[in-house]
Amino acid sequence: NAGVTQTPKFQVLKTGQSMTLQCAQDMNHNSMYWYRQDPGMGLRLIYYSASEGTTDKGEVPNGYNVSRLNKREFSLRLESAAPSQTSVYFCASSDRAEGGDTQYFGPGTRLTVL
Amino acid sequence: AQSVAQPEDQVNVAEGNPLTVKCTYSVSGNPYLFWYVQYPNRGLQFLLKYITGDNLVKGSYGFEAEFNKSQTSFHLKKPSALVSDSALYFCAVRPFSGTYKYIFGTGTRLKVLA
Repeated sequence: NAGVTQTPKFQVLKTGQSMTLQCAQDMNHNSMYWYRQDPGMGLRLIYYSASEGTTDKGEVPNGYNVSRLNKREFSLRLESAAPSQTSVYFCASSDRAEGGDTQYFGPGTRLTVL
Repeated sequence: AQSVAQPEDQVNVAEGNPLTVKCTYSVSGNPYLFWYVQYPNRGLQFLLKYITGDNLVKGSYGFEAEFNKSQTSFHLKKPSALVSDSALYFCAVRPFSGTYKYIFGTGTRLKVLA
């Protein structure tokens, strides 16, 4: 039982390049989330998917797109990377069937945009 | 606007002394309340949560948290701090209904001194 996995762990991009961050969970959770973590700002929600087939914007969705590929996988795409997107990205999953809807986090992807 | 406040960027405590990490929130209704811990270069790990019932919640690694509805606070506590407790701690809130979104505080860095 791996929990939540993310790939890659590290990535360096040039401004304007694109990339996709991958996330998968093996806990059969319905809901999945993408956050970014910046110093002094805590975690900010980029997009979330309440259940398979649905996605919704979070607090900071501009410059990002997501795909809920199936129940297990939720990817985050940067179409044209900007230096302001330098951050650590975390994927999380949760399930309201578990009382209290605890989120479980992946190890993160550290992205630098030059 | 709904928000979570962690008023202290850093808390220093001597090993063996009790510790408190503060959290207050401004959310309508009766939210679910969470504490997470983040060790260097790792994802967030769940510590404990409050859903309903007893105001004192016990969690992992000897941590506990006290819910105070009148003060809208959910402070994290531990009777005797360990050096290994040094980490970044996040308070999070999920409104009881109507949304799958979580609101995170900006984090408090706990430093336990030997």
